[in-house]
Amino acid sequence: AQSVTQLDSQVPVFEEAPVELRCNYSSSVSVYLFWYVQYPNQGLQLLLKYLSGSTLVKGINGFEAEFNKSQTSFHLRKPSVHISDTAEYFCAVTRTQGAQKLVFGQGTRLTINP
Amino acid sequence: KAGVTQTPRYLIKTRGQQVTLSCSPISGHRSVSWYQQTPGQGLQFLFEYFSETQRNKGNFPGRFSGRQFSNSRSEMNVSTLELGDSALYLCASSLGTGGAEETQYFGPGTRLLVL
Repeated sequence: AQSVTQLDSQVPVFEEAPVELRCNYSSSVSVYLFWYVQYPNQGLQLLLKYLSGSTLVKGINGFEAEFNKSQTSFHLRKPSVHISDTAEYFCAVTRTQGAQKLVFGQGTRLTINP
Repeated sequence: KAGVTQTPRYLIKTRGQQVTLSCSPISGHRSVSWYQQTPGQGLQFLFEYFSETQRNKGNFPGRFSGRQFSNSRSEMNVSTLELGDSALYLCASSLGTGGAEETQYFGPGTRLLVL
């Protein structure tokens, strides 16, 4: 079975500051990793995903994440945040074999202060 | 292309009743997955349908069921509602190739309140 831990439930930052949202996972088999964003009263939108290859993955809206197999982490970063980045962010994993069955972390609420 | 649509957006029911939620996937998508989102348990996978067959299932009681129609639209049913079933129910669609790498596209959800 897989599990995901998002280490911070809330992260407040100032506008134009950098941010890192932390995600650690546990799995006995190979996994794919995903970051989703949920804006208020909306569904989830895919930011980026790691399947294989380069461990640095670039996504939409200026976000990027780095896969670290030895530390079983997949942290999300953005060098300069905007007010519009205020949302909840979810890290998720699925095993590579078989159909996708996402296992989500508890989410990190990112609040951007002006 | 239109996105994933879910109806109704909001629903209030009482304990013991049953409820049916509907999901229309993106045109051309054949896989539909359902998730439950609650403040306590977070996002949990319910089940996935492909070609009118349940292909994958999470750890929910039998009160939660679903089906998929030939046009890929899907419905989810919860019978004998309990207070703990209050949640945001999200539907997601994908092409359905069966690969774990696929991107799922989520709808806005149906917020169910059980009184």
